Amino acid sequence: DGGITQSPKYLFRKEGQNVTLSCEQNLNHDAMYWYRQDPGQGLRLIYYSQIVNDFQKGDIAEGYSVSREKKESFPLTVTSAQKNPTAFYLCASSRGTTKNIQYFGAGTRLSVL
Amino acid sequence: AQSVTQLGSHVSVSEGALVLLRCNYSSSVPPYLFWYVQYPNQGLQLLLKYTSAATLVKGINGFEAEFKKSETSFHLTKPSAHMSDAAEYFCAVSDQGAQKLVFGQGTRLTINP
Repeated sequence: DGGITQSPKYLFRKEGQNVTLSCEQNLNHDAMYWYRQDPGQGLRLIYYSQIVNDFQKGDIAEGYSVSREKKESFPLTVTSAQKNPTAFYLCASSRGTTKNIQYFGAGTRLSVL
Repeated sequence: AQSVTQLGSHVSVSEGALVLLRCNYSSSVPPYLFWYVQYPNQGLQLLLKYTSAATLVKGINGFEAEFKKSETSFHLTKPSAHMSDAAEYFCAVSDQGAQKLVFGQGTRLTINP
């Protein structure tokens, strides 16, 4: 089955620690996205990538980093510089510019210990 | 810049009643518009999309939305609510050809038996 796989489902971060959230897609989509979801705030774009080896900052990129070495993978690192990392993180992908339909993974819930 | 406003963070209706979730957008060019649904602790699933074809768009699970340019609105409706419709609903806007979606803050729909 084609889809987007996010792992882990739950993640805990200690003070000063970097953690990496995985996102893999087998839809052969060119574009991938990371969103942060907080209660009552909708989805906010962290980073996005339109092609391999290229990515752009979204609206709330500070304290996060990404890489896009393979078309199917777009990992997100939450660095120690992100002082309020507790949130639900969603990865999405889309087929280039085709009507911009984004398909979402099931999400990773990150909490601070 | 594009923006989306969803009127009402919480909407409660009785089972069998009409569902109306409001979405107004702001865009400098003809937009693409989307409604997504999110069940607890899951990713987002596309309900329907408007991409400059018919102004009345039918989606999954009996939902539909009407694009009204004069009112800059894209309200979501369903004639008869079902208990399984309880979820959070997000309206999103994108410029044609753009790679980014801008999401509203979401509306949580509760269905009363």
